[in-house]
Amino acid sequence: GENVEQHPSTLSVQEGDSAVIKCTYSDSASNYFPWYKQELGKRPQLIIDIRSNVGEKKDQRIAVTLNKTAKHFSLHITETQPEDSAVYFCAAYSGGGADGLTFGKGTHLIIQP
Amino acid sequence: DAGITQSPRHKVTETGTPVTLRCHQTENHRYMYWYRQDPGHGLRLIHYSYGVKDTDKGEVSDGYSVSRSKTEDFLLTLESATSSQTSVYFCAIRVQANTEAFFGQGTRLTVV
Repeated sequence: GENVEQHPSTLSVQEGDSAVIKCTYSDSASNYFPWYKQELGKRPQLIIDIRSNVGEKKDQRIAVTLNKTAKHFSLHITETQPEDSAVYFCAAYSGGGADGLTFGKGTHLIIQP
Repeated sequence: DAGITQSPRHKVTETGTPVTLRCHQTENHRYMYWYRQDPGHGLRLIHYSYGVKDTDKGEVSDGYSVSRSKTEDFLLTLESATSSQTSVYFCAIRVQANTEAFFGQGTRLTVV
């Protein structure tokens, strides 16, 4: 089955700096890669996603890049703000059925004032 | 919130007792999922359903069973709760298999 590795597990950055979270996946058939943000005590919510026919996608201060050859994808957050503090999860969908969405273990992003 | 409601939101139960968590959706989505979330493990799939009476096991299904007798309800049962099942449980729906998951608010279960 698919295996998703996510790094780092904790990331602390100064407010205004950029943050990058990286994920690798094992199944070359994976074709859909969502990113979720989970604030303390809340549900995970989708912030951005990318499909395998696209190399990069941006939405205001967040962007996701995908390297299919290397089987890794990354979340980039620019001009970080206090409200960006949360746990971020990457996931990969390997197709073939209704299950197929495998999550990374999460990155706790801390924005230092 | 994609019309997903979980109940109860919090529960404390004793070891060995049966527990049922309910996930209710209002939008007739085909795919429903139960995940558990534990520190250091992320979100792990317990069971999922791809239609009424159609369910299958996920990564961590031991000790859990599910039922889906109606499109809108997906029940997760712990037949005999153990302390290792203390966790936060999230229900999710997906519109199609290859699209994003929408999560319920979560149920915090403590087994003492």
